[in-house]
Amino acid sequence: AQSVAQPEDQVNVAEGNPLTVKCTYSVSGNPYLFWYVQYPNRGLQFLLKYITGDNLVKGSYGFEAEFNKSQTSFHLKKPSALVSDSALYFCAVRDPGTSGYSTLTFGKGTMLLVSP
Amino acid sequence: GAGVSQSPSNKVTEKGKDVELRCDPISGHTALYWYRQSLGQGLEFLIYFQGNSAPDKSGLPSDRFSAERTGGSVSTLTIQRTQQEDSAVYLCASSRDRSFQAFFGQGTRLTVV
Repeated sequence: AQSVAQPEDQVNVAEGNPLTVKCTYSVSGNPYLFWYVQYPNRGLQFLLKYITGDNLVKGSYGFEAEFNKSQTSFHLKKPSALVSDSALYFCAVRDPGTSGYSTLTFGKGTMLLVSP
Repeated sequence: GAGVSQSPSNKVTEKGKDVELRCDPISGHTALYWYRQSLGQGLEFLIYFQGNSAPDKSGLPSDRFSAERTGGSVSTLTIQRTQQEDSAVYLCASSRDRSFQAFFGQGTRLTVV
């Protein structure tokens, strides 16, 4: 079974400082990995994904994430945080598996709070 | 449509009543997902449709929950004999295929009183 762990319920960072939101996963095969963001009272928005290729992927709003197969991690990063980045962040994994498809499993989410 | 559409956006129902929640995915998307998000909680997987294959129902919490997807497009999630613990935001998403990101609707906020 596939699973995702986001070990931090909340991450606090000052505006202008770099931020990291952690994610580790467990799948039987090669994972497809995704990050989503949820702003208050709004739906989930896609940020970025890793399917294959370069381990460092870049996404929306200046976010990036690095796929590390040996550590089974896909941490979300941004060099300089903005107050407007404050939101709930979800990591998700899909294991293509032998059947060719599988569902998308989400972590429990990490609340990012960026202070002015 | 341009995005995933869910209706109604809000639903208040009495305990014991049945409710139907509707999801209109993005045209051409073969995959459709239902999730549930309780207050302050993460996303709980409910059910997944992929093309004409049998759906993955492994996330449905009880036999009061069911879903169907007609003609590979619109999906309806039905909750029978609603309970207060069913109160949550029900999210629907669709994607082109497994390597593409899922696009989410705005959700249906269900309140059981």
